[in-house]
Amino acid sequence: DVVLTQTPPTLSATIGQSVSISCRSSQSLLHSNGNTYLHWLLQRPGQSPQLLIYLVSRLESGVPNRFSGSGSGTDFTLKISGVEAEDLGVYYCVQGTHAPPTFGGGTKLELK
Amino acid sequence: VQLVESGGGLVQPGKSLKLSCSASGFTFSSYGMHWIRQAPGKGLDWVAYISSSSGTVYADAVKGRFTISRDNAKNTLYLQLNSLKSEDTAIYYCARGTWDYWGQGTLVTVSS
Repeated sequence: DVVLTQTPPTLSATIGQSVSISCRSSQSLLHSNGNTYLHWLLQRPGQSPQLLIYLVSRLESGVPNRFSGSGSGTDFTLKISGVEAEDLGVYYCVQGTHAPPTFGGGTKLELK
Repeated sequence: VQLVESGGGLVQPGKSLKLSCSASGFTFSSYGMHWIRQAPGKGLDWVAYISSSSGTVYADAVKGRFTISRDNAKNTLYLQLNSLKSEDTAIYYCARGTWDYWGQGTLVTVSS
């Protein structure tokens, strides 16, 4: 199975600070069809996960544009340009290129 | 779009349980669907997937014990859990195959 390694496991930020989360894959996530099925989710405390970014860099409808995704192959990054209080929670990357789907271990974003 | 899970509860080890996920607001039959679980205080753990044509894939940890199925006439996804173990204790979420919609989850507790 593909292993996704997220760093850091915990991130402390102040409101307005820009932060980045890394997701590294044990193998390339480039599918033979040319798509890269790497997505980012946010799980706020007590809530279900929600999709933020799909296919590496595409912003899900309704998600603020302070969120952005980048990367290719095995290295991917989620950036938040100006953290807001509502952004606190646990961020997960998930891959769907190789069966079975796998999740990263999560990155908890908390207020400093 | 709405996904609503039900059927969770307290069950003894070795017993069975059937979860349901009622879907609305989209053409259910056109989408693959996932079951994902989250043990208390832990990260996300993919469980099973069923395609729009009812092909299935399972995580190794549940293969042979859990069965995913769907009833397109009822717009409902199911997960049959057999031979339950304490380590199956978790919140079980259903999610659309594109990861863009998740239910609120249903708690399964396996304990004597």
